[in-house]
Amino acid sequence: GENVEQHPSTLSVQEGDSAVIKCTYSDSASNYFPWYKQELGKRPQLIIDIRSNVGEKKDQRIAVTLNKTAKHFSLHITETQPEDSAVYFCASKGAGSYQLTFGKGTKLSVIP
Amino acid sequence: GAGVSQSPRYKVAKRGQDVALRCDPISGHVSLFWYQQALGQGPEFLTYFQNEAQLDKSGLPSDRFFAERPEGSVSTLKIQRTQQEDSAVYLCASSLRLAGSYEQYFGPGTRLTVT
Repeated sequence: GENVEQHPSTLSVQEGDSAVIKCTYSDSASNYFPWYKQELGKRPQLIIDIRSNVGEKKDQRIAVTLNKTAKHFSLHITETQPEDSAVYFCASKGAGSYQLTFGKGTKLSVIP
Repeated sequence: GAGVSQSPRYKVAKRGQDVALRCDPISGHVSLFWYQQALGQGPEFLTYFQNEAQLDKSGLPSDRFFAERPEGSVSTLKIQRTQQEDSAVYLCASSLRLAGSYEQYFGPGTRLTVT
């Protein structure tokens, strides 16, 4: 089955700096890659996603890039703010499946 | 509109008890998923429904776990004879599942603690 690796497990940045979280996946047929933000005790919230036919997608301060050849995708957050502090999960969906396979998460701390 | 809701939010069960967890998906969402999230980990897939049909239950960890969605809307995840290793947050997600629509929206989860 699909395997998703996520790095780093923890990340601390100064407010205003950029943060980058990286994920790799194993199934070359995977076609959908969402990112979720989960605050302590809250539900995972979909913040951005990308399809396999697109290399990059941006939404205000967040962007996701996908390298299908390397089976690698990344989340970029610019101009970080304290409210960006949370656990971020990457996930992938295989072409022939419905469910998402998640990475283990990255705890992002933005220091004011 | 209203998001995915789950009840109860917290459940404490003694080992060996049966529990039932409820999920109310977003109205009109065809697909419904259950995930299990252990402390400090990402959600792990349990089972998937399209309308009332359970199309995939490959993630259910044992035959003590059972899920149903009899009318294609509300779903219940039942765990029989709970064990300590069942302690986790159980998340429900729903998706419109139109062609090309893959977005899954999660409920707040039920935190199950087995003592």
